[in-house]
Amino acid sequence: LAKTTQPISMDSYEGQEVNITCSHNNIATNDYITWYQQFPSQGPRFIIQGYKTKVTNEVASLFIPADRKSSTLSLPRVSLSDTAVYYCLVGDSGYSTLTFGKGTMLLVSP
Amino acid sequence: GAVVSQHPSRVICKSGTSVKIECRSLDFQATTMFWYRQFPKQSLMLMATSNEGSKATYEQGVEKDKFLINHASLTLSTLTVTSAHPEDSSFYICSANLNYGYTFGSGTRLTVV
Repeated sequence: LAKTTQPISMDSYEGQEVNITCSHNNIATNDYITWYQQFPSQGPRFIIQGYKTKVTNEVASLFIPADRKSSTLSLPRVSLSDTAVYYCLVGDSGYSTLTFGKGTMLLVSP
Repeated sequence: GAVVSQHPSRVICKSGTSVKIECRSLDFQATTMFWYRQFPKQSLMLMATSNEGSKATYEQGVEKDKFLINHASLTLSTLTVTSAHPEDSSFYICSANLNYGYTFGSGTRLTVV
C-alpha cells in the first residue's frame, strides 16, 4: 500500500476553510484516496473518497491533481465540532488491508 | 448506510481475566472484518483480519493465543483478550470492508487493573 504523509497538526478558527494536504508519491494505478475523521474514543468515520480530479459531498471536497501524488481535503467553514484527527488512506477499492498513517490533528478554535 | 455495532463501549477488568468484544454488521454481511488497536495519541494499528468460517490472519507481533478471534457468522466477529494485563489496556476498534471503503465500529475502551 502507498505510504501517506500528512501534517501532524493544523489550527483554524470557526468559519474558515481548512485544507489538509496528503502526499502519496507511490500511489498505484488501482488505488483510491479515502479520508476518514476520528473523534476521541470513537471509531473513524468515512468522509470522502476519490480517484482523480475533484469530488464533493455534503461535508467536504477532495482535490486530486493529475499526477495523483497528493490530495487535498477541503472542509468549508469549519466549526468547533470539526476538531478531530483526519486520516488520508490510499489503497485499491477492495482494500485487503488498511494501513493508517499518523493523521492530522485539526484544532478549531472560537 | 452500513453500520458496524461494537460492544461493549467500555470495559474494566482485573489482570488475568479474559474479556470478549463483539462486532456486528447490522445491515450487511461481512465475510471479512478487521481488528485494530489504538494507544493514546497514536494511530490505529491493524491486529488481525477475521475471516468468516476460517482462521484469522494476525499481523506480525500480535499473539494469536492471547487475542482470540472468532468469526462464526457473516454478521458477527469477536475478539477475546485472554489473561489480560495492564499493557493490554487500549482502544480496540473493528471494521468491515464495503465497496467504497471501510466502516468502523465505535470502539471499545479496555482498562485492565
